[in-house]
Amino acid sequence: KNEVEQSPQNLTAQEGEFITINCSYSVGISALHWLQQHPGGGIVSLFMLSSGKKKHGRLIATINIQEKHSSLHITASHPRDSAVYICAVLVGSARQLTFGSGTQLTVLP
Amino acid sequence: DTEVTQTPKHLVMGMTNKKSLKCEQHMGHRAMYWYKQKAKKPPELMFVYSYEKLSINESVPSRFSPECPNSSLLNLHLHALQPEDSALYLCASSQGSLGPYEQYFGPGTRLTVT
Repeated sequence: KNEVEQSPQNLTAQEGEFITINCSYSVGISALHWLQQHPGGGIVSLFMLSSGKKKHGRLIATINIQEKHSSLHITASHPRDSAVYICAVLVGSARQLTFGSGTQLTVLP
Repeated sequence: DTEVTQTPKHLVMGMTNKKSLKCEQHMGHRAMYWYKQKAKKPPELMFVYSYEKLSINESVPSRFSPECPNSSLLNLHLHALQPEDSALYLCASSQGSLGPYEQYFGPGTRLTVT
């Protein structure tokens, strides 16, 4: 069993829809990252969370430490949001990220 | 400036060639990372440098040789690679290595070994 599980693996939405991507982890963590990767491209860090909720533009990330669960929400989705969204966790004082397998999001116009 | 730059963007090399990948950041970060990413897979950590010293080597073959000449620059020297080494190579940096610190990623170098 992977330490970091993401769902769904693939998600297709219509422009304007509200989108939720989920991440569950099985270990104690010091922080959780949400990352975005466009096709053929590098990775952009969207959020790093240790607790609570963060918002940036149309993106909202929440984390529940007790339930070992995080969600990434996209409001008013747009085709340019189409990308792979990756959840990654920092375990304790570890220097390395443990990555989920990613969620491929496609937003249709 | 929150940018990590990588050169070249694309690289095609033969199995007998020697080439280098370059990564640079000017955010004053003291930890730098090399990742390898195969298609449709998450990144795999290769090396971590902390304060210009190699702190983690994830059992990477010796045909990959990292170098950190100064706190802003990270190189990955390539020699006698195999076709299965073809991948996207990503560099990242963070404020420190004993976190939690946010990692900032570069755009990657797409490497093809022929």
